[in-house]
Amino acid sequence: QVKLQESGPGLVKPSETLSLSCAVSGYSISSGYYWAWIRQSPGKGLEWIGSIYHDGNTYFSPSLKSRLTISVDTSENQFSLKLRSVTAADTAVYYCARALYMEPPDYWGQGTLVTVSS
Amino acid sequence: QSVLTQPPSASGTPGQRVTISCSGSSSNIGGNFVYWYQHLPGTAPKLLIHRNYQRPSGVPDRFSGSKSGTSASLAISGLRSEDEADYSCAAWDDTLSGYVFGTGTKVTVL
Repeated sequence: QVKLQESGPGLVKPSETLSLSCAVSGYSISSGYYWAWIRQSPGKGLEWIGSIYHDGNTYFSPSLKSRLTISVDTSENQFSLKLRSVTAADTAVYYCARALYMEPPDYWGQGTLVTVSS
Repeated sequence: QSVLTQPPSASGTPGQRVTISCSGSSSNIGGNFVYWYQHLPGTAPKLLIHRNYQRPSGVPDRFSGSKSGTSASLAISGLRSEDEADYSCAAWDDTLSGYVFGTGTKVTVL
């Protein structure tokens, strides 16, 4: 069964960089699918952040693109998110997920809460 | 930022049928597949419906999806206590070139 697990600091200071990783088990990232990051701010709906293919091809939400880096490590079967210059508005539960191109995700991680605060 | 509109809440007694709507536009629901998720706090969202009406293996047939124009619906028949959760819809958006999600509906079993 496909499983995804997010990891990273739960607290980030304003103006710093939020860094998260997603470990994938039960499926090889190199076998296909896109790998996505999605977040949910307190009291709000889900928001797509960006996605990456195993060859490194990426596409990002226009509202976050200028601050965003998503990378993939096929040897470790994981992918990562870096969001620069964070503010309190970036406080959210961050999820990683698997998806076909142009279709929403099928498998998700359980999410990790990241709080931006000094 | 949610682009698809859902009612904030829905409820029913055990055994009843509950329907959740998801309203979008021609750039998302109108031209692309709709997915539905069940979400409990602290857990991974679970895929209930993909490609408008298809159920993944293991999802009970009490859950059904439909789509018409720029709207979609999720129906839960034979409501059970374990169905109490948050439900969200999602679709690809051609304008965004990414996914958009619904505002979420909390289902309560009375």
